[in-house]
Amino acid sequence: DTAVSQTPKYLVTQMGNDKSIKCEQNLGHDTMYWYKQDSKKFLKIMFSYNNKELIINETVPNRFSPKSPDKAHLNLHINSLELGDSAVYFCASSQLPGAYTDTQYFGPGTRLTVL
Amino acid sequence: DAKTTQPTSMDCAEGRAANLPCNHSTISGNEYVYWYRQIHSQGPQYIIHGLKNNETNEMASLIITEDRKSSTLILPHATLRDTAVYYCIVRVKGATGANSKLTFGKGITLSVRP
Repeated sequence: DTAVSQTPKYLVTQMGNDKSIKCEQNLGHDTMYWYKQDSKKFLKIMFSYNNKELIINETVPNRFSPKSPDKAHLNLHINSLELGDSAVYFCASSQLPGAYTDTQYFGPGTRLTVL
Repeated sequence: DAKTTQPTSMDCAEGRAANLPCNHSTISGNEYVYWYRQIHSQGPQYIIHGLKNNETNEMASLIITEDRKSSTLILPHATLRDTAVYYCIVRVKGATGANSKLTFGKGITLSVRP
């Protein structure tokens, strides 16, 4: 069983389109995250949700909108895609912040290519 | 979070120990040292973490100097599958809110050669 899963694995789209990436975790964790890894391989936090509540919102264009329908899911919707949005997006989850074990478990990533 | 510095890359022979250094000279008393790795085309994977005592698990050992300003991750018998980028991260354990994020640096690329 996959602990943190993302769909799709690859996403190729045109500039200006709107797309979504889905993330699901079956670990029973309360906190979920989105990270972006750009072409230079830097991994940076974008958002985190704790039990459906937005906790972290780094300096990310408001074209990016995370949505958490329940604590096992955190989806990322991107409007009006731009070339610079091309990257690998990783979802992660962890137990409630403050818990003794706060290991973050990452999904396999979604490679987004904007043409 | 305190910053960390790591060499850009290193290599080791398969079956030998790989010792990956990390400097964190500005670490605070309540900050832990975490290690994650990212194998090519995969998501980051947790390896180990520690505060001041040496730690060992099924994947690796973590040696933290007495002054806590540096640490070394040891893979005792490196295999080809250990080829990856290894990230040393310093953060407060169980941090909440904005501090719950992981701040990744450039990491060190370990190449295990046959």
